[in-house]
Amino acid sequence: ETGVTQTPRHLVMGMTNKKSLKCEQHLGHNAMYWYKQSAKKPLELMFVYSLEERVENNSVPSRFSPECPNSSHLFLHLHTLQPEDSALYLCASSPTPDRPMNTEAFFGQGTRLTVV
Amino acid sequence: SQELEQSPQSLIVQEGKNLTINCTSSKTLYGLYWYKQKYGEGLIFLMMLQKGGEEKSHEKITAKLDEKKQQSSLHITASQPSHAGIYLCGADIYTGTASKLTFGTGTRLQVTL
Repeated sequence: ETGVTQTPRHLVMGMTNKKSLKCEQHLGHNAMYWYKQSAKKPLELMFVYSLEERVENNSVPSRFSPECPNSSHLFLHLHTLQPEDSALYLCASSPTPDRPMNTEAFFGQGTRLTVV
Repeated sequence: SQELEQSPQSLIVQEGKNLTINCTSSKTLYGLYWYKQKYGEGLIFLMMLQKGGEEKSHEKITAKLDEKKQQSSLHITASQPSHAGIYLCGADIYTGTASKLTFGTGTRLQVTL
């Protein structure tokens, strides 16, 4: 248990559906992240939020829309996804987004997304 | 090319054997993190190394960061089935405008009985 909780753990959605992934942490961290993990590829950083403000967007398609209503919650809204978007989506948090830093990032269990 | 290269990509060892996983960067690493991941799950933090020459151990796992801070190794002594999983190195790599926590592709470890 890392203190970062993601729901749902598994999600199957059609290309025309709209769904949301949720991430929650009560570690008192100020930074939250979304990563995408595809088969045989390194973890790809998608978004970084610091104190509810988006500080980084790594050229992610607009069909992925993040939302950070407060420092404890992070969402990833999905719409009109493609089959190649199927992957494990991981949420992480850290005390600060400033890097390098003296502490690790804490990861959730991930949401396994399958787009059909 | 990847900013962080891990080798080997996969490894099968017999229980009780020792093994080493390497993580190499072409740039100076300001923070090096080792994580373990079970298939389809989140990352569990193992160790963090920051200083050149630093070495840390936890139970049967030892990680080192070389003096030039461009390579790290993870060594497991007397492997057990519980060590099986994917080992990922992550590092703070300066991209020219900011530092980002970047990960290698991982090393998949299987431990046979």
